[in-house]
Amino acid sequence: IQLTQSPSFLSASVGDRVTFTCRTSHVISTYLNWYQQKPGKAPKLLIYAASKLHNGVPSRFSGSGSETHFTLTIDSLQPEDFATYYCQQSYSVPVTFGQGTRLEI
Amino acid sequence: ELQLVESGGGLFQPGGSLRLSCEASELSVSSNIMTWVRQAPGKGLEWIAVIYTGDTTYYADSVQGRFTISRNISTNSLHLQMDRLRDDDTALYFCARVFYSSSYYLDYWGQGTWVTVSS
Repeated sequence: IQLTQSPSFLSASVGDRVTFTCRTSHVISTYLNWYQQKPGKAPKLLIYAASKLHNGVPSRFSGSGSETHFTLTIDSLQPEDFATYYCQQSYSVPVTFGQGTRLEI
Repeated sequence: ELQLVESGGGLFQPGGSLRLSCEASELSVSSNIMTWVRQAPGKGLEWIAVIYTGDTTYYADSVQGRFTISRNISTNSLHLQMDRLRDDDTALYFCARVFYSSSYYLDYWGQGTWVTVSS
């Protein structure tokens, strides 16, 4: 299953609201997760099952979507949110990731 | 505190072999689904292997037949045996725990170990 994220790069400012998109090549119900990664660090799980917030993740992060179209929204960007975001499908093996959206100031 | 710590990375020659280890604390590798994910320099995340609690394994096409995922219950460690190395195996290798219930996601990750394949 192929995942396509858009945009590949996004420039935004502190306080902005941003939305990323992930489209899948096959219907995957809500088997879609979102991760945040900062340079040289391990990814961190943000959202699982398309819309469920992982423990400890700030409520400004939210996810939605099903089947083949998914979004990740960050309300009121904070300085620590500037990172790369990946979607990942867990509907079938091999698990696959999108190519990432890099969010920069 | 739950922790995963990878080791075994370094500089290796094409065609060579190495074994990565992932030592777990506060988590039983035998009772969990464990996986390896890698990231080539400047690139995105690539899932490469998973081992289920019943020892069923799956691999990405890019490593099938060359890499082997396993675990050692006595040391509570996950391993990745990497044979017939290629230049494009150069990457930061992460181990991760897979949470699997009604959902399936990678919730705990190690910090990664670098593998460079070059002559």
